[in-house]
Formats: sequence, structure tokens, C-alpha cells
Amino acid sequence: KQEVTQIPAALSVPEGENLVLNCSFTDSAIYNLQWFRQDPGKGLTSLLLIQSSQREQTSGRLNASLDKSSGRSTLYIAASQPGDSATYLCAVKKAGGTSYGKLTFGQGTILTVHP
Amino acid sequence: EPEVTQTPSHQVTQMGQEVILRCVPISNHLYFYWYRQILGQKVEFLVSFYNNEISEKSEIFDDQFSVERPDGSNFTLKIRSTKLEDSAMYFCASGGDEAFFGQGTRLTVV
Repeated sequence: KQEVTQIPAALSVPEGENLVLNCSFTDSAIYNLQWFRQDPGKGLTSLLLIQSSQREQTSGRLNASLDKSSGRSTLYIAASQPGDSATYLCAVKKAGGTSYGKLTFGQGTILTVHP
Repeated sequence: EPEVTQTPSHQVTQMGQEVILRCVPISNHLYFYWYRQILGQKVEFLVSFYNNEISEKSEIFDDQFSVERPDGSNFTLKIRSTKLEDSAMYFCASGGDEAFFGQGTRLTVV
């Protein structure tokens, strides 16, 4: 059974810092990995999608890497801003030849960026 | 930008009552999902739906749950006899490789 763990559980940083969020998964047979942002009481916003054959993806100040063999992904946020404050979720989709498999989520990292 | 739309945003129901949660997936997507998040816990998979049938379901998705695509745009989750422990945020998602989530329906069972 796939287990996804995110470290740290919470992070508080001053504005402008570069930071790294970590995600690990127990079964390396994944189809892809997706990073989401969740604001309190709101839905999930997709940030980055990394296919199992890819090593990294970038979007603006966000960069996500994937090391499938070691079961790890990191989300790098450059020059953090107060608006980045949210919960960041990592989710993996199991391999199996289809694109419609279920996502297994980590518990999230609660990020607070203070001015 | 296309988005997944869920209604209602918040529903309060009495234990034992039936509820229907509604979702309008992104129009050209073929795969649909329901997830839920109990307060303070992980987002967990309930069911996936493709080509008008369930493709996968979790152990949570027992006989009290059902899904339906009644027309070309809506996707619904029905809970037949709600329990206190069904209180959660329910998310609809659609997509293929990338999943896109709605804003959720907060279900409170009293």
C-alpha cells in the first residue's frame, strides 16, 4: 500500500527566503506526482505535475524535482511571499498503464510566510 | 480558465438523511473522481468514474455511496443514510494525467 509522507509538517519563514518542502513515498512504481496548494477551507489548486519519466518541472518561482528510485520529491519555492502561505500537498498516482488512477496524498506542509 | 464547479459549498444534514453532492467537471475531461478530507486528516480517494462506470473505488466507498453522471455535464455523489462520521469536505476532480479539483462541499452531519 502506497504511503506518502511530507516533511516538515509546518514551516514558518520570513518573506524572501528560499525554502524546500519534502515528500517521500514508499512505492516507487508511480505514474506521476502532483503538487497542490490548499488555502484554509478551500479546494486544491494544482501547482506542478511531474511524470514518472521526468526529473523536474518549473513554474515561475516553483520548482519540483522527482527521484523516483529513492521515492522522493521536493518542492522548491524561491523568494517566498506572504501570499505563498498555505498548505502544500504532495500526491502520487500509481503506475498501471492508465492515466486515471487514484491519487494518494501526503498530510501536507503548512507554510506561513511572515512579512 | 476552465474549472471544476461544486454545489453546494456547504450542506448541513441530519443523521440518516440522504444527500446529493453535485459537480460539473471540466467539459472535455473524461475521468471523474470523488475524494474527501475529514478535518485535520489527509485527502483520501473515494471513487473514480470513466465511460459511465466506476473504474475504481476505495474501501470507504461502501453501499451507502453511489455516483452518477445523469447528463452530459453533471457528476453526482449520493450518500444514502448519512452518519456523523461522514462529516468532511468532499472534493470532485476531473482530468487525466493531471487532476483538477473543485472547491469542495463541506458536509456537516448533525
